[in-house]
Amino acid sequence: QVTLKESGPVLVKPTETLTLTCTVSGFSLSNARMGVSWIRQPPGKALEWLAHIFSNDEKSYSTSLKSRLTISKDTSKSQVVLTMTNMDPVDTATYYCAVLVVVAATPGWFDPWGQGTLVTVSS
Amino acid sequence: NFMLTQPHSVSESPGKTVTISCTRSSGSIASNYVQWYQQRPGSSPTTVIYEDNQRPSGVPDRFSGSIDSSSNSASLTISGLKTEDEADYYCQSYDSSSLWVFGGGTKLTVL
Repeated sequence: QVTLKESGPVLVKPTETLTLTCTVSGFSLSNARMGVSWIRQPPGKALEWLAHIFSNDEKSYSTSLKSRLTISKDTSKSQVVLTMTNMDPVDTATYYCAVLVVVAATPGWFDPWGQGTLVTVSS
Repeated sequence: NFMLTQPHSVSESPGKTVTISCTRSSGSIASNYVQWYQQRPGSSPTTVIYEDNQRPSGVPDRFSGSIDSSSNSASLTISGLKTEDEADYYCQSYDSSSLWVFGGGTKLTVL
């Protein structure tokens, strides 16, 4: 069974850097058919894809947030880390990590998702 | 870049059928698969449809997906509505510029 769990601070101050960790179990981050994305959801609002890391360490970022995001992985620890710089109150959201299931050459779909972690940005 | 537009909310009675639309703003809806996710209050999203019309194991066949190139949209249809279907539903697709894109979500009320 594949599971993911997000961890990180619940409160960050404006201008600070957020670091979130996604710990996966039930599969290896070196699995060529899977990758892990970070997706966020502000309270009462829609889902927004942020970043993705593939098994070969290739990375992709949201064009609107690219300058603030860094995604990395530690395969030995089964962890994917997202950092977001210069946090602002509008970045207050639940942050999810999710497995991207890839079949053949398709872009794939997200399944499963972690439970999410709510991050509040406030001074 | 493209957007996926969904109705903000829909409502229907138990036992009835409801359809939720997802319209792609630019580029063909058929160019990349559409997924649908269900998010119950306080829970993480789960997949109800992937690759336009495929159901993951465990998702009842009351859920079905389709695409319509004439309207450049995808649809999620839920038949035999149950109160447990009350949730937010998000469509999602992809292109090489925007990468993975979610729709704005539709709140389904079963009343």
